[in-house]
Amino acid sequence: AQSVTQLGSHVSVSEGALVLLRCNYSSSVPPYLFWYVQYPNQGLQLLLKYTSAATLVKGINGFEAEFKKSETSFHLTKPSAHMSDAAEYFCAVILQGGSEKLVFGKGTKLTVNP
Amino acid sequence: NAGVTQTPKFQVLKTGQSMTLQCAQDMNHEYMSWYRQDPGMGLRLIHYSVGAGITDQGEVPNGYNVSRSTTEDFPLRLLSAAPSQTSVYFCASSYGDRDGELFFGEGSRLTVL
Repeated sequence: AQSVTQLGSHVSVSEGALVLLRCNYSSSVPPYLFWYVQYPNQGLQLLLKYTSAATLVKGINGFEAEFKKSETSFHLTKPSAHMSDAAEYFCAVILQGGSEKLVFGKGTKLTVNP
Repeated sequence: NAGVTQTPKFQVLKTGQSMTLQCAQDMNHEYMSWYRQDPGMGLRLIHYSVGAGITDQGEVPNGYNVSRSTTEDFPLRLLSAAPSQTSVYFCASSYGDRDGELFFGEGSRLTVL
């Protein structure tokens, strides 16, 4: 069963526009949630994580995400897109165990147009 | 710092051949994992290890073997390659705690003809 669902496999925005990448999780208990970014021909790197502390999480490169339990969502946002933000973004969740059991969504490819 | 190192970066195999993808980390991480990445499928866990001598299956383990004789190394073996194993393979490591960051290698692109 899919534990995280990313809505939209491709998102295209103009430089300077708001970036919104959607992630919903399926869990009856509060999960640990992550966003990873993959630049072309590279491995993944951590953007930010939610671990049941503050519901609004700030990450690197101006990204942030808000955990909303009522909506089972963890959407990623950035107020103003930059060309360098073009990459693939993955939402991931740990339901049980440790980080060896990270379950990834299918990814959203972000294109930033000049 | 080297971090997580994967070799080879590219490999072409014929159906039925075997090979080993190497993964080494120098961060003294206990946990190591192998993922495969396919278009539109995200990353899927193949095998993982929570320490030397301990391995377990992930979501898509068929056709792959692993072993963990040292903390540093976690090789992935393809026993008899099939075209369905054409993919990009990523090794990752972490301290294993629930809020821990996974550190990824740069990937190994495998094509099976």
